[in-house]
Amino acid sequence: NAGVMQNPRHLVRRRGQEARLRCSPMKGHSHVYWYRQLPEEGLKFMVYLQKENIIDESGMPKERFSAEFPKEGPSILRIQQVVRGDSAAYFCASSPDRLGGYTFGSGTRLTVV
Amino acid sequence: GDSVTQMEGPVTLSEEAFLTINCTYTATGYPSLFWYVQYPGEGLQLLLKATKADDKGSNKGFEATYRKETTSFHLEKGSVQVSDSAVYFCALSGNTGANSKLTFGKGITLSVRP
Repeated sequence: NAGVMQNPRHLVRRRGQEARLRCSPMKGHSHVYWYRQLPEEGLKFMVYLQKENIIDESGMPKERFSAEFPKEGPSILRIQQVVRGDSAAYFCASSPDRLGGYTFGSGTRLTVV
Repeated sequence: GDSVTQMEGPVTLSEEAFLTINCTYTATGYPSLFWYVQYPGEGLQLLLKATKADDKGSNKGFEATYRKETTSFHLEKGSVQVSDSAVYFCALSGNTGANSKLTFGKGITLSVRP
């Protein structure tokens, strides 16, 4: 049973480009969470999704960031027109229900140059 | 809002030394408390958890007790090993029932010397 799969592991983008980060939850998990880890900081909640629904996006920046979790396929975190301040590690976690018991992926490290 | 405060790091210990990493929290209601560990280049792994006051979580020789009176969840291990070198995060999950998003502390890096 594969864990939470995130790809790519490392992503380099130039300022102004788009970044797409993918997360495939564990088999049987329909709840997905995205977190961002800035240098020297703990993880910060961004968004919580279930299949085809955004449940809580209170941690998402108002502009340039969006997330989806379609009926088929991985969850996608999309960052448009990236800026240097978007450089961070982005972690996805999944769970079978809303009670917790997360499993985290290994993260995508985004570098904006 | 909810918050988690961890002691400042990094921490360097010799093998077999006693470890304490302090964690205090602020939250409404009755949160669940967690310790996560992150090894270099990897994601976070759940180390232990406690869901109510006076519960003790334990795993791999690590322990932490949910202290509501002091709003603390300090992590301890009696004898650390080189393989324990990692970053440790304290976290809480609000008990509102809406969802189980986690609030993390900043993390502390532990290095264990042979």
